[in-house]
Amino acid sequence: GQQVMQIPQYQHVQEGEDFTTYCNSSTTLSNIQWYKQRPGGHPVFLIQLVKSGEVKKQKRLTFQFGEAKKNSSLHITATQTTDVGTYFCAGHKGGSEKLVFGKGTKLTVNP
Amino acid sequence: KAGVTQTPRYLIKTRGQQVTLSCSPISGHRSVSWYQQTPGQGLQFLFEYFSETQRNKGNFPGRFSGRQFSNSRSEMNVSTLELGDSALYLCASSLAKAGYLNTEAFFGQGTRLTVV
Repeated sequence: GQQVMQIPQYQHVQEGEDFTTYCNSSTTLSNIQWYKQRPGGHPVFLIQLVKSGEVKKQKRLTFQFGEAKKNSSLHITATQTTDVGTYFCAGHKGGSEKLVFGKGTKLTVNP
Repeated sequence: KAGVTQTPRYLIKTRGQQVTLSCSPISGHRSVSWYQQTPGQGLQFLFEYFSETQRNKGNFPGRFSGRQFSNSRSEMNVSTLELGDSALYLCASSLAKAGYLNTEAFFGQGTRLTVV
């Protein structure tokens, strides 16, 4: 079953509002990766975090990796219609090469 | 550089039949992973191959199998198809050097399998 929990499952916002999705693991992750899948498309890599407490920014997107390396978040400031899609977190556990994905958060943006 | 190529893009099969899906990774990538994506379950890990060896396996029945060739191309096979096998099957390749986990996965467009 799914070993990485991601919430919320769905999020609908008005354009210009902020959006956050959260990822939680019961065990320590070696790293956390974030992917975006546009409707009808395939997942595309956004970023990877490796260090405890790491924060990275990509324009309006802010990614955080928790101090215990068990949780992560993706925050989008002032959403745009181009942000529509499903955001997945994924991580490697305990040195395994297996990349475990969360179920994703589907974001819709009302113009 | 060509991306990950999956064939076919769409497939319709009847219950009980078997199917083979193909994945050509990015040149130089030795790791290929397969995922099943359904609306309710998200991305479920099937298996991962590295240098022709299955390194990791998900929690799927034995009807799901795969292999990797010396040129890193991979195939997955599903035998005795069931209606519940209808899904988007995604292949992802990565550099995944031995002992080095921190590489991104590049996904193909997927094969949409419908079982009727």
